[in-house]
Amino acid sequence: EVVMTQSPGTLSVSPGERATLSCRASQSVFVNVAWYQQKPGQAPRLLIYGASTRATGVPARFSGSGSGTEFTLTISSLQSEDFAVYYCQQYDNRPPFTFGPGTKVDIK
Amino acid sequence: QVLLQESGPGVLKPSQTLSLTCTVSGGSINRGGYYWTWIRQHPGKGLEWIGYISGSTYYNPSLESRVSISGDTSGSRFSLKLTSVTAADTAVYFCARAESYYNHYFDYWGQGILVTVSS
Repeated sequence: EVVMTQSPGTLSVSPGERATLSCRASQSVFVNVAWYQQKPGQAPRLLIYGASTRATGVPARFSGSGSGTEFTLTISSLQSEDFAVYYCQQYDNRPPFTFGPGTKVDIK
Repeated sequence: QVLLQESGPGVLKPSQTLSLTCTVSGGSINRGGYYWTWIRQHPGKGLEWIGYISGSTYYNPSLESRVSISGDTSGSRFSLKLTSVTAADTAVYFCARAESYYNHYFDYWGQGILVTVSS
């Protein structure tokens, strides 16, 4: 099973600032990583797949990068609606498909 | 637009069987080659993939002895059964759709249903 780790656990950012979230896989998953945003009481929302492709309707301020074992989600200028928990997920290996523990982005 | 909606009991006693249904509208589990999936989230924790159905089924090895996923012939519902539940199975259960086997990210999700196991 591929283990996904994320850092930091919590990121405090002021509105308008840039946020950089990291995700690491325990073995290479090539570019088979997705990122999700989850707000309290809601289901996760797909933001990024293929490490860098934005899902339909996702604003351009969200970008993903990386390959192999190191991945990054960047939010270029945080808006109020972006304060949430963000999860990465790998889908390279055979099941089980695994998620990271999440990074909470909160208001500084 | 694909919509998914979970339904089922919200409270169970230890040793009972959890049974949830996901109703799919705007799509069919019997067409399109999608992977219809159950995922759970323990309170305040991360996400755990349970398994999928897409013709065949595949389960998380950590749950394989207790879980089964099935679909109905109408194509509009698929279900999760988890036997011998304990407090550790208390979680929000989501149904979701994965685009394909190799693009196994989840593009549509249900709103989730909280299942509490308590004596």
